[in-house]
Amino acid sequence: GAVVSQHPSRVICKSGTSVKIECRSLDFQATTMFWYRQFPKQSLMLMATSNEGSKATYEQGVEKDKFLINHASLTLSTLTVTSAHPEDSSFYICSAGDRDPNEKLFFGSGTQLSVL
Amino acid sequence: AQKITQTQPGMFVQEKEAVTLDCTYDTSDPSYGLFWYKQPSSGEMIFLIYQGSYDQQNATEGRYSLNFQKARKSANLVISASQLGDSAMYFCAMREGGGRRALTFGSGTRLQVQP
Repeated sequence: GAVVSQHPSRVICKSGTSVKIECRSLDFQATTMFWYRQFPKQSLMLMATSNEGSKATYEQGVEKDKFLINHASLTLSTLTVTSAHPEDSSFYICSAGDRDPNEKLFFGSGTQLSVL
Repeated sequence: AQKITQTQPGMFVQEKEAVTLDCTYDTSDPSYGLFWYKQPSSGEMIFLIYQGSYDQQNATEGRYSLNFQKARKSANLVISASQLGDSAMYFCAMREGGGRRALTFGSGTRLQVQP
């Protein structure tokens, strides 16, 4: 089946630094990828839709200057958390689907971000 | 209004028994898809089963089946012959309309399988 690779799986950083998270589709091309955020014991909340070759679409309440998304190729999307603060500590997870829009979405393994 | 509702925060089941996890949804779009994912403590999201709104038959994948009641807008997950490894969070999700759109998730149900 389709595989989505996400790195790093865990990152600890100091407040004020930036962190980049990568999401790759390994055996298929993904024109659209999705970034979610999950707080402990809560559900996944959509942050933004990443579109290859164009600007990302952010959900209401998500700061686009804070969470920079780049989808430079059909297999790679990156999420950069800029000037991270402790409140940005969360589990971030990406998902992508192959060309059939009716098929299931595959998820990366997630990134646990801890900002000190 | 909640688009996906999972009313069971936690469920217990004995090993080898069947369990039903509830999910109701709300949409006015005639075309939609319903998904169930399993999230173990490691955090990964594991796809379990998919049901399209126009599918006539209930979806099945091994020990997983989806009880699709379209008129009631429910899409309950049935796990047969529970195993200890089934202990995890389970999320119901929906994608509305066609095309590559994001999923909307329910609040999840934590299932614990007891020996």
